[in-house]
Amino acid sequence: SQELEQSPQSLIVQEGKNLTINCTSSKTLYGLYWYKQKYGEGLIFLMMLQKGGEEKSHEKITAKLDEKKQQSSLHITASQPSHAGIYLCGADRMDTGRRALTFGSGTRLQVQP
Amino acid sequence: ETGVTQSPTHLIKTRGQQVTLRCSSQSGHNTVSWYQQALGQGPQFIFQYYREEENGRGNFPPRFSGLQFPNYSSELNVNALELDDSALYLCASSVTSASYNEQFFGPGTRLTVL
Repeated sequence: SQELEQSPQSLIVQEGKNLTINCTSSKTLYGLYWYKQKYGEGLIFLMMLQKGGEEKSHEKITAKLDEKKQQSSLHITASQPSHAGIYLCGADRMDTGRRALTFGSGTRLQVQP
Repeated sequence: ETGVTQSPTHLIKTRGQQVTLRCSSQSGHNTVSWYQQALGQGPQFIFQYYREEENGRGNFPPRFSGLQFPNYSSELNVNALELDDSALYLCASSVTSASYNEQFFGPGTRLTVL
């Protein structure tokens, strides 16, 4: 089965600083999803990437998928306290052929004012 | 448009008991997936329902079972609860015919097994 590794596991940054979170797959990614989760709550969809080399941005968050489609990065520019939470990458499960996701273990982000 | 809702919010059970968690999917969504998220981990896929039938299953034992109703709402049942079943249970709805697999998540049910 496909596994996703996220790094770093946790991150503490000063407000205004940039940061990058990485997600690496053991297999080719057919669909890569980034979600944000407030502690103990549901997941909020951020972005989805499908094509090698694809890059998407929303407000101060940019996500990229590498050409080989095995690694994705999430970059936050000029971080704010509102960016704090757990960032999860998820990938389409190809083992069952069903529309469900495999997730990484998450990156916990704290932004200090 | 109503989002995904789950009930109850929190639940405390003891080992050996049975529990039923409920999920109402987002309007227009015909597929429901259930995930278990242990503390400090990412969500783990339990199973998925489409057209009232199980449509795929992760690595969970048969004591985890589910239902989907004609209105696309769903239940997750867990029998013979174990301490390790303590987790946040997330329900996600999606549209199987969509070109991509965006899952819309509910707020979750926090289950504690004592």
